[in-house]
Amino acid sequence: DSGVTQTPKHLITATGQRVTLRCSPRSGDLSVYWYQQSLDQGLQFLIHYYNGEERAKGNILERFSAQQFPDLHSELNLSSLELGDSALYFCASRPDRDTEAFFGQGTRLTVV
Amino acid sequence: AQKITQTQPGMFVQEKEAVTLDCTYDTSDPSYGLFWYKQPSSGEMIFLIYQGSYDQQNATEGRYSLNFQKARKSANLVISASQLGDSAMYFCAMREVYNNNDMRFGAGTRLTVKP
Repeated sequence: DSGVTQTPKHLITATGQRVTLRCSPRSGDLSVYWYQQSLDQGLQFLIHYYNGEERAKGNILERFSAQQFPDLHSELNLSSLELGDSALYFCASRPDRDTEAFFGQGTRLTVV
Repeated sequence: AQKITQTQPGMFVQEKEAVTLDCTYDTSDPSYGLFWYKQPSSGEMIFLIYQGSYDQQNATEGRYSLNFQKARKSANLVISASQLGDSAMYFCAMREVYNNNDMRFGAGTRLTVKP
């Protein structure tokens, strides 16, 4: 158990809908990263938050947004969903020192 | 922007033999970290090994070692005495300290261990 919790684990929704993915980082970890992994693909970096502030954006669509709350949990909002948004979405957190990032189990999103 | 390259989409290795998975990177940041993660078919991301850009010695963790060649900007993962359970996707990643600590991943290498 990495200590990073992602909910829900699985999500099935229709095209055009909006969903929210939630990530609870390890206790005390200030950095939260979001990644998208499509079938048999690598991890595409979406966005990085540090202590509530957005630090960097990667290949994140305008239909997607994220935030990190004062209690450090983070949410990734996906709207106007398309079939191509079906993927495994990972959240990872990292403490404020030079170490690895710890990944949650991921949320598998299926858009039908 | 940082770039991580894994040129081997798939690799095969015989059980009990060693295998090297390649990773090259490109960065202008003087301070960075290099990571390898394993993703088995169950989907979770498992951290394997870390190498800091200022570390003088190659990192080792059990059967995993990282062949760090800074001048060549390569960080290859060596798995010794392969086991069937090593069959998985392997991802190389880099985090740049002065670039907001962004962490980016390579495309991955699928390793299959043959009995």
